Amino acid sequence: QQQVRQSPQSLTVWEGETAILNCSYENSAFDYFPWYQQFPGEGPALLISILSVSNKKEDGRFTIFFNKREKKLSLHIADSQPGDSATYFCAASGPGGNNKLTFGQGTVLSVIP
Amino acid sequence: EAAVTQSPRSKVAVTGGKVTLSCHQTNNHDYMYWYRQDTGHGLRLIHYSYVADSTEKGDIPDGYKASRPSQENFSLILELASLSQTAVYFCASTGEIQGTEVFFGKGTRLTVV
Repeated sequence: QQQVRQSPQSLTVWEGETAILNCSYENSAFDYFPWYQQFPGEGPALLISILSVSNKKEDGRFTIFFNKREKKLSLHIADSQPGDSATYFCAASGPGGNNKLTFGQGTVLSVIP
Repeated sequence: EAAVTQSPRSKVAVTGGKVTLSCHQTNNHDYMYWYRQDTGHGLRLIHYSYVADSTEKGDIPDGYKASRPSQENFSLILELASLSQTAVYFCASTGEIQGTEVFFGKGTRLTVV
């Protein structure tokens, strides 16, 4: 059972456009949602995160929009750059300790110059 | 800077052989994790540990064992490697507080032939 789902699987945008990556989850107990960025041959690295008490989180060109009622969130990458080309993972964790992350299957983003 | 070091970075193993993947962190973190990454599946949790000399099963523990001899070190053991265990394996660590950033190593590419 896939508790965290991402769409699309792959996305191609032109340089300067806004890329929108979507994520949904099933477990209502999830309350922490980090997005990880992964380049080929590297491990995932934290990009930006949000807690379920918030509906928006911004960090430079990166913004998370969160809808708790619909169990959906999205990552917006404004003014996309070729260097943003990577795989993006939505993840989730809940209270109760252990800090275990449940990952989506990822979205491969390609930014064309 | 937080550091998680995995060794080896790549390995070819024979079906039925024993494989040990090692992980060392210098973050003074209590929690350590082993994930496996397959195309189309994101990262899936195999085993984790929140204290030395204790390990817990994750979502896909079958065919794997784990060992946490010290706070800094966490190993993943494949007693009888199988073709289906060909994947990229990531070790990660994080602190005790929920929502703390999870730091990943660069991964070990394991090929079972």
